[in-house]
Amino acid sequence: GEDVEQSLFLSVREGDSSVINCTYTDSSSTYLYWYKQEPGAGLQLLTYIFSNMDMKQDQRLTVLLNKKDKHLSLRIADTQTGDSAIYFCAESIKTGANNLFFGTGTRLTVIP
Amino acid sequence: GAVVSQHPSWVICKSGTSVKIECRSLDFQATTMFWYRQFPKQSLMLMATSNEGSKATYEQGVEKDKFLINHASLTLSTLTVTSAHPEDSSFYICSARDQGRGLAFYEQYFGPGTRLTVT
Repeated sequence: GEDVEQSLFLSVREGDSSVINCTYTDSSSTYLYWYKQEPGAGLQLLTYIFSNMDMKQDQRLTVLLNKKDKHLSLRIADTQTGDSAIYFCAESIKTGANNLFFGTGTRLTVIP
Repeated sequence: GAVVSQHPSWVICKSGTSVKIECRSLDFQATTMFWYRQFPKQSLMLMATSNEGSKATYEQGVEKDKFLINHASLTLSTLTVTSAHPEDSSFYICSARDQGRGLAFYEQYFGPGTRLTVT
């Protein structure tokens, strides 16, 4: 079955860059996503990348995809205290249901 | 655009009662909605896929008679937890796919979640 893994915790100082990593097992992924969840809230889509792309940049966010190693990363430049949240990577694969499969989530703590 | 709401935001119910959670797509039509469950400090677990006008598709291990799903219109899906027990206490999140974007794009828009506490 689909397996999406992330490290559980990451702490960075305000102003530094954060890099959140994710590995997945299914090579038939179509899109890969990064979602942000603030305490007690639902998920907010931050960015996504199509599986035939290597990199995507959107303001402070940079997504890198290494399809050979099945590794996805999210870099947040100039991390702010408001970036403290849980970050989930997710993949969608080509099945009839077109479901999303989520990673375990990485709790990012930004230290002032 | 692409806003999904859930109601209620939180609910406390007594063991043995039933509780209904609504998921609405406010500014788009959604033929497909998804219901997830999230335990504290854990990832989202897909419970079922809700299809407008047809029966929901449940994931393995999810009791369809306990978690009733109804998707009666293109903007509303409901999840009813029947005969709730304390172990059903959880954070329930729905998502919806924007039909207007077409099936090639698998993005889901998430609701804010409903926290259920069964006493």
